[in-house]
Amino acid sequence: KNQVEQSPQSLIILEGKNCTLQCNYTVSPFSNLRWYKQDTGRGPVSLTIMTFSENTKSNGRYTATLDADTKQSSLHITASQLSDSASYICVVSASTSGTYKYIFGTGTRLKVLA
Amino acid sequence: GAGVSQTPSNKVTEKGKYVELRCDPISGHTALYWYRQSLGQGPEFLIYFQGTGAADDSGLPNDRFFAVRPEGSVSTLKIQRTERGDSAVYLCASSFVARGGGPSPDDTQYFGPGTRLTVL
Repeated sequence: KNQVEQSPQSLIILEGKNCTLQCNYTVSPFSNLRWYKQDTGRGPVSLTIMTFSENTKSNGRYTATLDADTKQSSLHITASQLSDSASYICVVSASTSGTYKYIFGTGTRLKVLA
Repeated sequence: GAGVSQTPSNKVTEKGKYVELRCDPISGHTALYWYRQSLGQGPEFLIYFQGTGAADDSGLPNDRFFAVRPEGSVSTLKIQRTERGDSAVYLCASSFVARGGGPSPDDTQYFGPGTRLTVL
């Protein structure tokens, strides 16, 4: 069964600190993996996208990694800011015979405190 | 507009009533997706359109749910005989192409702000 699991479920850190969010998936056949940021009351916004051959991708203070062998991805946030408080959702897409499935994780809720 | 818009932003209805939720995708985006998100959960796929046709409606929970996109742009999600369990945020997203693979960012989904549906 195609699944995406994220950990931790929630996280509280102090402003300026770094943190790492985890995503494990059992999606086949793998097409790509995205991390989204979802502010409260808003729709998700794409942060990074990685395909099978990519190990790391950065977007400002956000760095995503992908290990396709172990089917794990992480999102590292450097020097956190109050505006980083949001839910971070890992989404894996699977491609089968021209059709595409997008499997969403339940997200990690990050709270950055001053 | 510049982004995906959804109306209404909030909808409160009574059990058994019919509701319509509207989505205006980004101009030129051929793919349109509907998701449902319950509190504390990730979005749950409902249906996606490639152009005017529903390419995949496997996520619709039952036949009370139906969606249309008659001219390949605006889409309407229709829910008949609403139940309290239908209460959720309904998200719409659009993308330039529904490819899902390869290094191109073309199929990145851009989400609207959602419609919060409350069934009393």
